[in-house]
Amino acid sequence: DAGVIQSPRHEVTEMGQEVTLRCKPISGHNSLFWYRQTMMRGLELLIYFNNNVPIDDSGMPEDRFSAKMPNASFSTLKIQPSEPRDSAVYFCASSSSTSGTDTQYFGPGTRLTVL
Amino acid sequence: SQQGEEDPQALSIQEGENATMNCSYKTSINNLQWYRQNSGRGLVHLILIRSNEREKHSGRLRVTLDTSKKSSSLLITASRAADTASYFCATDGGAQKLVFGQGTRLTINP
Repeated sequence: DAGVIQSPRHEVTEMGQEVTLRCKPISGHNSLFWYRQTMMRGLELLIYFNNNVPIDDSGMPEDRFSAKMPNASFSTLKIQPSEPRDSAVYFCASSSSTSGTDTQYFGPGTRLTVL
Repeated sequence: SQQGEEDPQALSIQEGENATMNCSYKTSINNLQWYRQNSGRGLVHLILIRSNEREKHSGRLRVTLDTSKKSSSLLITASRAADTASYFCATDGGAQKLVFGQGTRLTINP
């Protein structure tokens, strides 16, 4: 079975540009999570969805970040405008549970560099 | 603040030796999980232990949980070069989301 799929794997952009990260969760999974990983702050939960509905977005840094899940098989995380401090690895994860605290399956990540 | 904190931050051992990593947390939990992350890759779930369990095994992995001390340990026996990775504990801490520690970087020397 295919795992969580993320695209692109690497993204280099200039400050001020819009960035869109994409995620396809494991088929049949009910929950989807977006995380950000940096050396300084470790792995942080940005937002998670349950049955396509955002449940907790308290980790979204600011209004420049937005996430959508239009259907059960696709989610996007958008940064507009991007800033150098947004440089990080962004992970998408999914879970077969509706709980946010059961086993999660991570994608390979998108490494974002904002110049 | 981090709910789970791993100790040590880095560990280097010889192939074939056992590796032990610890995780301490602050608030009551329903479950605690361990994940592995190879360099440049996503996290991989290793094991989940519930608050009413004290020990769990999976292959060469052994996890213990002491809720009175708010701590857990991950033991990898007969380590292999392929075990080189970062290991994270994650807890729920009563909230409906996982909080990850900063991880232990494990290096297995051939």
